[in-house]
Amino acid sequence: DAMVIQNPRYQVTQFGKPVTLSCSQTLNHNVMYWYQQKSSQAPKLLFHYYDKDFNNEADTPDNFQSRRPNTSFCFLDIRSPGLGDAAMYLCATSRGGLAVQETQYFGPGTRLLVL
Amino acid sequence: AQSVTQPDIHITVSEGASLELRCNYSYGATPYLFWYVQSPGQGLQLLLKYFSGDTLVQGIKGFEAEFKRSQSSFNLRKPSVHWSDAAEYFCAVGEGRSARQLTFGSGTQLTVLP
Repeated sequence: DAMVIQNPRYQVTQFGKPVTLSCSQTLNHNVMYWYQQKSSQAPKLLFHYYDKDFNNEADTPDNFQSRRPNTSFCFLDIRSPGLGDAAMYLCATSRGGLAVQETQYFGPGTRLLVL
Repeated sequence: AQSVTQPDIHITVSEGASLELRCNYSYGATPYLFWYVQSPGQGLQLLLKYFSGDTLVQGIKGFEAEFKRSQSSFNLRKPSVHWSDAAEYFCAVGEGRSARQLTFGSGTQLTVLP
């Protein structure tokens, strides 16, 4: 089945140790998004890629970076994780292109724990 | 700036009872509205969406929602709740022509009693 895949589902890292989260999609969608969702809160958009064009939200900390080497894959890099970065990280995709109103499809998420 | 309010943090219903989850939005232009459901430890699953046309929208799993412009609301309903519906429900509004930037409400946690 076409889907959005996130690996790993659970990630443990140490305070200040760089970590990378992975997202892949078989939907061939042009747009990929990264959201941060802290416990009992709504998802918050960090940034998104339209093809290779990177779009950062104004309030996303510099500690968060992203890479999209090809259509299928997108990575979230946290350069120096702090305790406050412990959260669920959700990847989503949408078709983009000529679509006027888009629907986002979410992966299962990666839960990050910072020790 | 757009915003979404889900007034009920937590709702408890008995299995078989009807359900209505409230959502109010604030957005200057035509809103693009979504309901997503999230089971514990899982990602978000799209239940239904409203872009235009018929204001009563049917979704998956027997859910429906009604867009009421005069009340700035997009409430989610289900006539008979199943135990498997227990989850967190998020209403969202999409900004701009493409609805690409989603603003989510704070969510409503649904508990279903046997």
